[in-house]
Amino acid sequence: DVKVTQSSRYLVKRTGEKVFLECVQDMDHENMFWYRQDPGLGLRLIYFSYDVKMKEKGDIPEGYSVSREKKERFSLILESASTNQTSMYLCASINAYEQYFGPGTRLTVT
Amino acid sequence: AQSVTQLGSHVSVSEGALVLLRCNYSSSVPPYLFWYVQYPNQGLQLLLKYTTGATLVKGINGFEAEFKKSETSFHLTKPSAHMSDAAEYFCAVRIGTGRRALTFGSGTRLQVQP
Repeated sequence: DVKVTQSSRYLVKRTGEKVFLECVQDMDHENMFWYRQDPGLGLRLIYFSYDVKMKEKGDIPEGYSVSREKKERFSLILESASTNQTSMYLCASINAYEQYFGPGTRLTVT
Repeated sequence: AQSVTQLGSHVSVSEGALVLLRCNYSSSVPPYLFWYVQYPNQGLQLLLKYTTGATLVKGINGFEAEFKKSETSFHLTKPSAHMSDAAEYFCAVRIGTGRRALTFGSGTRLQVQP
């Protein structure tokens, strides 16, 4: 079974803090993704990576950055957290057709 | 650019009734189409996918969907709803080549009444 794990299920941070969300997959997939999920908006793509040290912006990259130093790990970084970044964050990796999702991190910024 | 529209943010059915969740997409090239389900406090799980070939695809838990190119639709159905089907359902599209990320619809929350 493919496994995508995320470092935290719930996270509470203060405005202005630097926040790291970690994602690890165990299937040697090259492509990994970060989405955020908000009610009524579905999932929106923040960033993706198709190889180590390679990254591309998704549809809503503002306020975020990413890091992929190892193939199995893809980190999402909020440089200076703001209240409008309160959301559910989902990581995914992909084989030929199917995206496999982690359980999500619910981030609250106060 | 591709987009996905899910009609109805909330759908309520009785247990044993037909489930129909609607999805329309726009894409300038043949798409890959997906339905995902999300149970409370969990990540997304793939229900079924259409890539090529047979347009009627069967998935897990008795769900199926039909790709209709002329209608640009990929509606999800299940003949008889079960209480355990209560969840949020997402339709998604991916262009066959190029960027492998999915574009998601806004989701439909399915309620099943006893």
